Amino acid sequence: DQQVKQNSPSLSVQEGRISILNCDYTNSMFDYFLWYKKYPAEGPTFLISISSIKDKNEDGRFTVFLNKSAKHLSLHIVPSQPGDSAVYFCAASAGNYGQNFVFGPGTRLSVLP
Amino acid sequence: EPEVTQTPSHQVTQMGQEVILRCVPISNHLYFYWYRQILGQKVEFLVSFYNNEISEKSEIFDDQFSVERPDGSNFTLKIRSTKLEDSAMYFCASSSGQGSYEQYFGPGTRLTVT
Repeated sequence: DQQVKQNSPSLSVQEGRISILNCDYTNSMFDYFLWYKKYPAEGPTFLISISSIKDKNEDGRFTVFLNKSAKHLSLHIVPSQPGDSAVYFCAASAGNYGQNFVFGPGTRLSVLP
Repeated sequence: EPEVTQTPSHQVTQMGQEVILRCVPISNHLYFYWYRQILGQKVEFLVSFYNNEISEKSEIFDDQFSVERPDGSNFTLKIRSTKLEDSAMYFCASSSGQGSYEQYFGPGTRLTVT
């Protein structure tokens, strides 16, 4: 049962353009969401979060949008840089301290110079 | 910047042996977690730990697994009798529990069971 889905296993984007990574979830109890970036042989690195009381959160080049009614969130990276090439994971939880996060399968982003 | 550290980076063990994976969470964090990622698969939650006890665990975390915070800094995952299917990357994470839910991950330990 995939509670968190990332339907695009991979995405290629030209340097300087916008990268849009999508995530869908099925569990209506989820109300806190994180995006992680992961390089090979490293642990996931926290990028940005959003709680269900918001529909947008921005941090530098990274913006996360949440559409709670559609159970959909997206991560926008603009402008994309070659160093952004990594696997991006969406993770969701019910937003309690100590609550585990359920991870999506990840999307591999390649930013082409 | 504070970070979660894990040792060893790679552990090779024979089936049936016990292994202990070690983590040093970020110092002022209160919640600790273990996740694992089997090659080519998703990151999966194993267990969370708070106030010296398990607060939540998944179906994966059966009687072969245990966690401990033996002192004020280390957080360990023990697998009592390893199986081939325990081969995976094991990630430790911690969160502050003070106004934010973000979990910060260590670099992982690659466990290979032969």
